[in-house]
Amino acid sequence: DAGITQSPRHKVTETGTPVTLRCHQTENHRYMYWYRQDPGHGLRLIHYSYGVKDTDKGEVSDGYSVSRSKTEDFLLTLESATSSQTSVYFCAIRLAGSYNEQFFGPGTRLTVL
Amino acid sequence: DAKTTQPNSMESNEEEPVHLPCNHSTISGTDYIHWYRQLPSQGPEYVIHGLTSNVNNRMASLAIAEDRKSSTLILHRATLRDAAVYYCILRDEAKTGNQFYFGTGTSLTVIP
Repeated sequence: DAGITQSPRHKVTETGTPVTLRCHQTENHRYMYWYRQDPGHGLRLIHYSYGVKDTDKGEVSDGYSVSRSKTEDFLLTLESATSSQTSVYFCAIRLAGSYNEQFFGPGTRLTVL
Repeated sequence: DAKTTQPNSMESNEEEPVHLPCNHSTISGTDYIHWYRQLPSQGPEYVIHGLTSNVNNRMASLAIAEDRKSSTLILHRATLRDAAVYYCILRDEAKTGNQFYFGTGTSLTVIP
């Protein structure tokens, strides 16, 4: 277990409201990732981080922002949630010492009404 | 990144071997082949990875074609717990960021 948690695990919100999802890790891994998973699309990368305050965009970054002010936390923010952002969101870390192996969190199910 | 093609679904009988194919005809020389699986209501988990040679670990074996344009994940004795979606992913190790591009994978059903 790489000590990765996500909060909240479930959230229902309304269109236009801001939402922040949190990914927390306990083992000082450098790389962290946010993915979303939708039926028919598999997992798609939103943003990733390669260190404190170092982030980059992924495949589907529009409408999302991220922040990483300390090693253990990677925050995903939807500034103004839309129904198209209803999805399951997974956080992942890259395990130190392994060859690019990623370890995934349990996921957050977000519903935007 | 090069794409992969997998069957949408497969079935296997419990305790039988399972061969999950993956085609990656546009693979480049620096692409590693990774396999992940996702059990119901869970995040994906690492299964195995390789570059050119066949690989074995406690979970599975990975057989890579000599021209590297295809590979096969082998589960030696399927159990009910192996029912999952299996993703074959190419990762270009020459690029930074360790980005994985997941497709829709193969949904494996294990029949008791």
